[in-house]
Amino acid sequence: DGGITQSPKYLFRKEGQNVTLSCEQNLNHDAMYWYRQDPGQGLRLIYYSQIVNDFQKGDIAEGYSVSREKKESFPLTVTSAQKNPTAFYLCASSTLAGAGNEQFFGPGTRLTVL
Amino acid sequence: GENVEQHPSTLSVQEGDSAVIKCTYSDSASNYFPWYKQELGKRPQLIIDIRSNVGEKKDQRIAVTLNKTAKHFSLHITETQPEDSAVYFCAASRVLGADGLTFGKGTHLIIQP
Repeated sequence: DGGITQSPKYLFRKEGQNVTLSCEQNLNHDAMYWYRQDPGQGLRLIYYSQIVNDFQKGDIAEGYSVSREKKESFPLTVTSAQKNPTAFYLCASSTLAGAGNEQFFGPGTRLTVL
Repeated sequence: GENVEQHPSTLSVQEGDSAVIKCTYSDSASNYFPWYKQELGKRPQLIIDIRSNVGEKKDQRIAVTLNKTAKHFSLHITETQPEDSAVYFCAASRVLGADGLTFGKGTHLIIQP
């Protein structure tokens, strides 16, 4: 299951603190994505990036920020403005060209706010 | 934006029987429809996908059908096995748009021995 990695696997945060989740891929994919998953819910799109130094808000971007300084990396910062940050966070990547945009997922980071 | 509805939320079938999961979508511009399988605590993994220029696609025991006019697509699993137990998600997006997937809320498939 190599190719796209996330760290840490588990993360605990106190209220009022910002935390940054790491996502790295060596698949040479152009596009990268962040999703949030809550129990009993599907995945919801937070941010996505199709190219270095550019990114777009997804459906639930409030309280989150991202950067895309390198093609391989797409870190997500969960800020104190995010009211309910406890969730499972999944990063994904895909190509932009070709027959479709199959997204490959990382193993996820489980964030818990104490 | 796109909205994807998925039914049922839980599906229990006897081992060896077939399972069918259905999804509807709202955006007529969507033309890529993947299905993901997620085991407890693991990452989602693509099991099959379909593009709007085809109506059906099959891969061994798994098949997906698409009706673009009615905006619905379905996953069919035949001869179910215990290892098929998992949560299945449907999703929709615009091919080559790379603007992210919109997911259904998932179906918990339980295979009874």
